[in-house]
Amino acid sequence: GAVVSQHPSWVICKSGTSVKIECRSLDFQATTMFWYRQFPKQSLMLMATSNEGSKATYEQGVEKDKFLINHASLTLSTLTVTSAHPEDSSFYICSASPSSLWGANVLTFGAGSRLTVL
Amino acid sequence: GNSVTQMEGPVTLSEEAFLTINCTYTATGYPSLFWYVQYPGEGLQLLLKATKADDKGSNKGFEATYRKETTSFHLEKGSVQVSDSAVYFCALSRTGANNLFFGTGTRLTVIP
Repeated sequence: GAVVSQHPSWVICKSGTSVKIECRSLDFQATTMFWYRQFPKQSLMLMATSNEGSKATYEQGVEKDKFLINHASLTLSTLTVTSAHPEDSSFYICSASPSSLWGANVLTFGAGSRLTVL
Repeated sequence: GNSVTQMEGPVTLSEEAFLTINCTYTATGYPSLFWYVQYPGEGLQLLLKATKADDKGSNKGFEATYRKETTSFHLEKGSVQVSDSAVYFCALSRTGANNLFFGTGTRLTVIP
């Protein structure tokens, strides 16, 4: 079945540094990937929709200059948290569906990346 | 707007006990409803879904019925196993949309 891999699974960084998280579709191509963020004991919140070869679409309230998304190929999307601060500490999850399919019921999720900013 | 309210956990049950995790939703139009499960160290996996009122989704002994009149999609299982220990997320999506609105998740622990 479809597999989405995220890397790293956890990362600790100092305040002010930038961190890149990768999301790869291992056995299918994905023109669209989704980035979610989850705070402790809260829902997953959609941050942005990553579109291959074009700009990402950000949800209201998400700073595009803070969370840089690049979807350079059909199997890779990256989320870069720039100038990270402790309030950016969170669990980041990506999801994708095969190009040929559409609908939320075919989304495959990565295992998530936990970011801790000191 | 669209939102999902889910029963808070954690929930701890003995093996073979009956499970109910409540989920209610607010949505415009006619959303599709989902239950996702996340086992330790793994990504979210679709457990079951229902796309219209009165539909019943089922998988691995779990069931949930799309109740439009009560805007609910409660998850049930008649006899849980230790291997069911995981975090369960209720979610909805608008028709034709790929993005999901999630509940907060409910952690279930089943003890032998």
